[in-house]
Amino acid sequence: GAGVSQSPSNKVTEKGKDVELRCDPISGHTALYWYRQRLGQGLEFLIYFQGNSAPDKSGLPSDRFSAERTGESVSTLTIQRTQQEDSAVYLCASSSRQGEGSTEAFFGQGTRLTVV
Amino acid sequence: AQSVTQPDIHITVSEGASLELRCNYSYGATPYLFWYVQSPGQGLQLLLKYFSGDTLVQGIKGFEAEFKRSQSSFNLRKPSVHWSDAAEYFCAVGPYSGYSTLTFGKGTMLLVSP
Repeated sequence: GAGVSQSPSNKVTEKGKDVELRCDPISGHTALYWYRQRLGQGLEFLIYFQGNSAPDKSGLPSDRFSAERTGESVSTLTIQRTQQEDSAVYLCASSSRQGEGSTEAFFGQGTRLTVV
Repeated sequence: AQSVTQPDIHITVSEGASLELRCNYSYGATPYLFWYVQSPGQGLQLLLKYFSGDTLVQGIKGFEAEFKRSQSSFNLRKPSVHWSDAAEYFCAVGPYSGYSTLTFGKGTMLLVSP
């Protein structure tokens, strides 16, 4: 597609349920990022994928959070046993390979997760 | 570890007045620097970026930023603010080469008064 696509755009879930968020990066972009943005807060880094290298998971807040990406395609962020503090907008971004040319990150519109 | 500091959480500027948003970064090598804008209910849009060369970079919507290596700063400026500029602004730093994430500051909310 023309841009980064995220689905669903909105998700309401009950506390304790698992949720899966999807990100379709821009075709050809090797780098993919997940960020969390709580209401009125900045962007909190969660995880970073670059090609076939091991992902940087240093931002994941707990073992309830995990993410997968196959090659340079779709990524899914999974939150298990959701808690109310997980309520936030989850943003995905992709960029071309770092160190050569543009590395600006292009963002999707985000998934607004509400845990009730 | 790389980090970005935006010292101003909120800034209020009168319409037509000049604007400067501060950004300081900590990074051990040559950085890539970015400014993004997030309007209410919207995604993040890139305003401008610095990779190398001229330290004064021009962006969209009349914004510019100046990279000052000696001060580890990348401040965003606009000579005359419009009401439509009211939004949240994020500074970010990424690596010039290698493999690392893009790190964002906590953002500065710009309010424009009539």
